[in-house]
Amino acid sequence: QVQLVQSGADVKKPGASLNVSCTASGDTFTGYYIHWIRQVPGHGLEYMGRVNPHSGDTKYAEKFHGRVTMTRDTSIKTAYMVLTGLTFDDTAVYYCAKEPYYYYYMDVWGKGTTLTVSS
Amino acid sequence: EIVLTQSPGTMALSPGERATLSCRASQRVSASYLAWYQQKPGQAPRLLIYSGSTRAAGIPDRFSGSGSGTDFSLTISRLEPEDFAVYYCQQFINSRQFIFGPGTKIDIK
Repeated sequence: QVQLVQSGADVKKPGASLNVSCTASGDTFTGYYIHWIRQVPGHGLEYMGRVNPHSGDTKYAEKFHGRVTMTRDTSIKTAYMVLTGLTFDDTAVYYCAKEPYYYYYMDVWGKGTTLTVSS
Repeated sequence: EIVLTQSPGTMALSPGERATLSCRASQRVSASYLAWYQQKPGQAPRLLIYSGSTRAAGIPDRFSGSGSGTDFSLTISRLEPEDFAVYYCQQFINSRQFIFGPGTKIDIK
C-alpha cells in the first residue's frame, strides 16, 4: 500500500510562495493521480487540483488558476505543489492524496502540511 | 456549477444510536462518483465509502452509503465512540475536478 509523506510545516510572509512536497513510498509512482486539497482552520475541504505523475499533466481548480503549479519528479517519486502570492487567507493545512486512475475517490492521504501566513 | 450541501451541519447523538447523514447535489450526479470521508481532529480524512455504496477496505459494516440522482446518505447503524467525527461527501465533476460538501459533525450527546 502506497503511503504519502509530506514536507513539514511552514511559515511564510504575505506575498511569498509555498512549496509542498509529497513523496510516495512503495514500488510505483504511476497508475494514479496525486490531488491537492487544503483545509482552512475550522473549515471544510477545498479542492485545488491534481497532477498525473506518469505524464505530468495537470488540472487546477478555477479558484487557484494562475497561482498554483503542480509538478512531479518521478526519479524520487515526489509530487510538488507551489502556491504563489500568499495572503493570510492561505493559512491552512495542505493535503496530498492519491486517486487510482479513474476511480473517482482518494484512497490514501498524506498527513498534511500546515502553512501559517504571518507578517 | 454543482454544489454539495450536507445536513445537518452538526448532530448530537449517543453511542449505540443510528446516524443518518445527508448529502444533496444541486444537480443530478452519478452515484459512481460519490464518496464519503471521515475526519477526526488533527488527522487527514479517511475514505469510508466510494461509488456511493461500496465500503473501503477495513471499514466496518456499520457504515453504509446509498442514494442516487441528487440525494445521497451515509448511515452509521450503531455509533461507536470512535465514530464521533466530521464526515464529508465528495463528488467528481467534469474535467477531472472534485468538490466536497461542507461536512457534518457528529458530537457526543
